[in-house]
Amino acid sequence: AQSVAQPEDQVNVAEGNPLTVKCTYSVSGNPYLFWYVQYPNRGLQFLLKYITGDNLVKGSYGFEAEFNKSQTSFHLKKPSALVSDSALYFCAVKAAGNKLTFGGGTRVLVKP
Amino acid sequence: EAGVTQFPSHSVIEKGQTVTLRCDPISGHDNLYWYRRVMGKEIKFLLHFVKESKQDESGMPNNRFLAERTGGTYSTLKVQPAELEDSGVYFCASSLNPGSAIEQFFGPGTRLTVL
Repeated sequence: AQSVAQPEDQVNVAEGNPLTVKCTYSVSGNPYLFWYVQYPNRGLQFLLKYITGDNLVKGSYGFEAEFNKSQTSFHLKKPSALVSDSALYFCAVKAAGNKLTFGGGTRVLVKP
Repeated sequence: EAGVTQFPSHSVIEKGQTVTLRCDPISGHDNLYWYRRVMGKEIKFLLHFVKESKQDESGMPNNRFLAERTGGTYSTLKVQPAELEDSGVYFCASSLNPGSAIEQFFGPGTRLTVL
């Protein structure tokens, strides 16, 4: 069975500082990995995905994520956080079949 | 291009009543998914349609939940009779799925409250 762990319920960061949201996964076979963001009163927005190829994936709004097979991680990063990045972030994995398995979510609070 | 839409945005019903949620996927997306997030926990998969066929319904919690996608366009998810533990946010998503276009695009969700 596949699973995703987001070890931090909340991440606090000052505006302008680097932001990292952690994600580890467990899956049989090659994983397809995703990050989604949910702003208040909105649905999930797709940020980026890893399927194959370069381990560093760039996505929307200046976010990027690094796939690390040996550590089974897919951490989300942004070099300089904005107050508007405050939201709920979900990591997800798709392996066999098409369904996504999500982590529990990490709330990011960027303070001015 | 219009995104995935869901109706209603909120629904408050009493235990034992019936509720029907609707999802309109992105035009041309054959794949349609239902997920739900209960009590702030993980988002859990419910089922997957390919056009009008149920491809995977392994996440459906019990037979009080019925999903349909007649004609392969919009989908409905009916809960009958609703129980307290059904409260949560129900998300719909759609995808193209050919090749590398596998990302799922989500709607805003329907917040269901069962009293």
